Amino acid sequence: EAGVVQSPRYKIIEKKQPVAFWCNPISGHNTLYWYRQNLGQGPELLIRYENEEAVDDSQLPKDRFSAERLKGVDSTLKIQPAELGDSAVYLCASSPRGDRGIGAFFGQGTRLTVV
Amino acid sequence: DQQVKQNSPSLSVQEGRISILNCDYTNSMFDYFLWYKKYPAEGPTFLISISSIKDKNEDGRFTVFLNKSAKHLSLHIVPSQPGDSAVYFCAASALRSQGNLIFGKGTKLSVKP
Repeated sequence: EAGVVQSPRYKIIEKKQPVAFWCNPISGHNTLYWYRQNLGQGPELLIRYENEEAVDDSQLPKDRFSAERLKGVDSTLKIQPAELGDSAVYLCASSPRGDRGIGAFFGQGTRLTVV
Repeated sequence: DQQVKQNSPSLSVQEGRISILNCDYTNSMFDYFLWYKKYPAEGPTFLISISSIKDKNEDGRFTVFLNKSAKHLSLHIVPSQPGDSAVYFCAASALRSQGNLIFGKGTKLSVKP
């Protein structure tokens, strides 16, 4: 079974430029998460989807960040414009409905560097 | 305010000995606790979990202990192997927050041959 797939793996952009990340979750997983992990920290939730509905986006900086999950499968996370402080690893994760004991399955992440 | 705390940034253990990683939490609404393992340049991988109705869960060399009164959990790895060298994250979730995972900062485990 394929895991969570993210692209690109690495991205370097200049500040004020836009950037987008893509995620393909595990087949059949209804729940999709975007996390951000700063250096030396644990992952922090940005947004959570149940199918195509964003059910928790309270931690998403809505002035510059946006996300979508069309048809309840793939998802994209966008930053426009990027700031220096956005440099981090952006992790996508998915989970099946119902079994909280197994948590979420993570992709390899996209390492964003804003210069 | 951090709800999940891993106060040891790093731990070094000899191969074959026991590794004990600790985690404290503040939110009494947490009812699931999970440990994730992360290698460099990879995403976190689920390792083991425990429900708040239990005080111990074992899976091979890995055992998680939960002390609800102290709001403390620990991960024991016995025996430790060099391949266990990674960053270990403690995470917790609460049903009222629909299972969103709250992570600690992680502990970097080094197992020396």
